Amino acid sequence: EAQVTQNPRYLITVTGKKLTVTCSQNMNHEYMSWYRQDPGLGLRQIYYSMNVEVTDKGDVPEGYKVSRKEKRNFPLILESPSPNQTSLYFCASSLSAGGLSPLHFGNGTRLTVT
Amino acid sequence: AQTVTQSQPEMSVQEAETVTLSCTYDTSENNYYLFWYKQPPSRQMILVIRQEAYKQQNATENRFSVNFQKAAKSFSLKISDSQLGDTAMYFCAFFSGAGSYQLTFGKGTKLSVIP
Repeated sequence: EAQVTQNPRYLITVTGKKLTVTCSQNMNHEYMSWYRQDPGLGLRQIYYSMNVEVTDKGDVPEGYKVSRKEKRNFPLILESPSPNQTSLYFCASSLSAGGLSPLHFGNGTRLTVT
Repeated sequence: AQTVTQSQPEMSVQEAETVTLSCTYDTSENNYYLFWYKQPPSRQMILVIRQEAYKQQNATENRFSVNFQKAAKSFSLKISDSQLGDTAMYFCAFFSGAGSYQLTFGKGTKLSVIP
């Protein structure tokens, strides 16, 4: 089944403890991206990747890191999480970065930083 | 930077009735794409409909259709014959690809379908 898989679905952590949210797609998509969703703010893009070893900042990249060493994986890294990073996170992928290729979303990761 | 505005935080509609969700955007680009995504309580993001700016004809997908007014920078979603399963958050989104490959979302409209 074609899908974007995020793990974990729920995560509670403490301030300053490094964490990684994994994202993997099995559709051979070139474009991958991360979003955070907050009430009243919609979805905001954190980082995106056009292809392997090519990443770029979105609208809210502060406090996050990403890497794209393989085409299928695009992990989101929080080196020192803070409470303002408590949010719902989505990974998404598409065949290409163009608007003709629909985005496929993962099921989301609910992160709570205390 | 592009902006997407959804002016209706919440809406409700009676089952089987028609409802229209509003979306406006701001851009200096001429070629771009617009989308409506649905997020039911399961929180899965589902593409509802897509519109290419260079196409004058409004997109339609079954009970979902859009009213795309390029000059007014307006992109509303009409849901006909509303069903209980249409209850969800609806997000309007914009993509231009010119220089920055970003998808910009509006803040969302929470739609409740009332039996």
